[in-house]
Amino acid sequence: EDQVTQSPEALRLQEGESSSLNCSYTVSGLRGLFWYRQDPGKGPEFLFTLYSAGEEKEKERLKATLTKKESFLHITAPKPEDSATYLCAVQAWGGSNYKLTFGKGTLLTVNP
Amino acid sequence: DVKVTQSSRYLVKRTGEKVFLECVQDMDHENMFWYRQDPGLGLRLIYFSYDVKMKEKGDIPEGYSVSREKKERFSLILESASTNQTSMYLCASSTSGQGEAYEQYFGPGTRLTVT
Repeated sequence: EDQVTQSPEALRLQEGESSSLNCSYTVSGLRGLFWYRQDPGKGPEFLFTLYSAGEEKEKERLKATLTKKESFLHITAPKPEDSATYLCAVQAWGGSNYKLTFGKGTLLTVNP
Repeated sequence: DVKVTQSSRYLVKRTGEKVFLECVQDMDHENMFWYRQDPGLGLRLIYFSYDVKMKEKGDIPEGYSVSREKKERFSLILESASTNQTSMYLCASSTSGQGEAYEQYFGPGTRLTVT
């Protein structure tokens, strides 16, 4: 069974204080790993897809990286508007190839 | 931009009522999904549809049914609402294919309260 574990559950940063969120996964064969951002009371917003170990993607202050066992979401010089819950999900090859398995998320708070 | 819309942002229903949640996507996506999201439990898949009139059960289908009569529209039905179905309901859509993974795009969510 595919599993996704995100850590920490919550992270509080000062504005400008860089850090990383972790997503550890177990999957039979990784088809893709996704990062989403979710603001309170809203639906998740797609950020990145990573397909293979060594891949990196960037968007503004966010950079996502992937190894064979985990993914990191690096946040450089965060601003208060980066405060949100960040979700990680994996999709495996074979079987029901539509299925995403989500982690429970990391709640990021950036204080001014 | 992909747009997924849901019929209501907030809904309050009584126990035993039949409840319809509607979702519409404008990107001609083949796949559509219904999830519920609860604190501490994360996102859980209720049902999935990969084509008009086609559906598959997700992880927690009990107490729910779905309908997809048109490609752009996917409905979630609670036949007889119960208090344990109080939750945030999220609809999503994605394209499909045999190649790389395809991201899902989510709607704004419907916060359903059953009293």
